[in-house]
Amino acid sequence: DTAVSQTPKYLVTQMGNDKSIKCEQNLGHDTMYWYKQDSKKFLKIMFSYNNKELIINETVPNRFSPKSPDKAHLNLHINSLELGDSAVYFCASSHSDRENTEAFFGQGTRLTVV
Amino acid sequence: DAKTTQPPSMDCAEGRAANLPCNHSTISGNEYVYWYRQIHSQGPQYIIHGLKNNETNEMASLIITEDRKSSTLILPHATLRDTAVYYCIVRVSHSGAGSYQLTFGKGTKLSVIP
Repeated sequence: DTAVSQTPKYLVTQMGNDKSIKCEQNLGHDTMYWYKQDSKKFLKIMFSYNNKELIINETVPNRFSPKSPDKAHLNLHINSLELGDSAVYFCASSHSDRENTEAFFGQGTRLTVV
Repeated sequence: DAKTTQPPSMDCAEGRAANLPCNHSTISGNEYVYWYRQIHSQGPQYIIHGLKNNETNEMASLIITEDRKSSTLILPHATLRDTAVYYCIVRVSHSGAGSYQLTFGKGTKLSVIP
């Protein structure tokens, strides 16, 4: 049973296309996140959603739009893809109402824009 | 959240203890020390966390100095599968929406050698 699952695992697409990455968690968590890991391996948070409400929106181009249809899902839609969007995107989830809780990460989606 | 400093890389012989240091000299009284690791091509994985006291779980031990300005993650019997990048993260631990934002540094690349 995969706790946090992302699809697809690999995504190769051309510049200018629109694509979506899906994330689902079966842990009963109420908070979900998207992180981006660039070619230099730095992991940075992009978005945080709690109970389907956007909580954190770091400096991310508005071509990136997260969508949370319910607490168990947080999808990432990217419009007009650019070469610089190539990276590994990680979804994560955690509880928000417990101190010292840990975050669970998905296996990542490797996006390559050509 | 306070900044951390880790050595960029370390080697450890298989079966020996791996001791990974972390400096967090600007840590505040309400900040916890968290450790995550990222095995190649996988999502980050929680290892352990602590505030003041030393902590141990099935994966590792965490030793925090009395002044809390540094800590050491100990993998008691390193195996080849422990080869990964280990991240030391200092953060305020409080419940609440969006409170689990993790700020990842460069981490320590641990190579376990047969």
